[in-house]
Amino acid sequence: NAGVTQTPKFQVLKTGQSMTLQCAQDMNHEYMSWYRQDPGMGLRLIHYSVGAGITDQGEVPNGYNVSRSTTEDFPLRLLSAAPSQTSVYFCASRGNTEAFFGQGTRLTVV
Amino acid sequence: GESVGLHLPTLSVQEGDNSIINCAYSNSASDYFIWYKQESGKGPQFIIDIRSNMDKRQGQRVTVLLNKTVKHLSLQIAATQPGDSAVYFCAENRGTSYDKVIFGPGTSLSVIP
Repeated sequence: NAGVTQTPKFQVLKTGQSMTLQCAQDMNHEYMSWYRQDPGMGLRLIHYSVGAGITDQGEVPNGYNVSRSTTEDFPLRLLSAAPSQTSVYFCASRGNTEAFFGQGTRLTVV
Repeated sequence: GESVGLHLPTLSVQEGDNSIINCAYSNSASDYFIWYKQESGKGPQFIIDIRSNMDKRQGQRVTVLLNKTVKHLSLQIAATQPGDSAVYFCAENRGTSYDKVIFGPGTSLSVIP
């Protein structure tokens, strides 16, 4: 049982490049979320999903897109990376209550 | 806008003492609260949760207290151990079905051996 798997673990992008952060869970959870965490800060909700085909914006959605074509996968897309998007990104998966987090993707935009 | 916040950004306690971490929230409609522990370089880990129809819930060495009158949440850790050193976050659910969880800024707990 892998839980929540995020790839890649580290990534360096140039300003303006695009990329997709992958998140997969094998617990058949309905709810999935993406957060970003800046140094010394809490987690801020980017986008979340309550099931396949359904997504919604969180606290800081600008510059990010998501889709949920399957229950298992919830990719986060950066269309045109900016230095302000340098952060650690966490994906979470939730059943009825308890959430499980991935190990994070450390993204640097130069 | 409405937010979840913490009273104390850092807390140092002696090993074996009890720790109390506080959290204030402002959204009176929030009905579910969660405490997470985050160790360096790792994702947050669920500790304990509480629904708004309760005022206290106990786990293994941890207790969460909820005071809806003053919109205050606390996490009590009994007999604090070095392994408890981490950043602790309170979070509240603002969605209709536990889907929109907003985190507070966090408290760093340091246990002195």
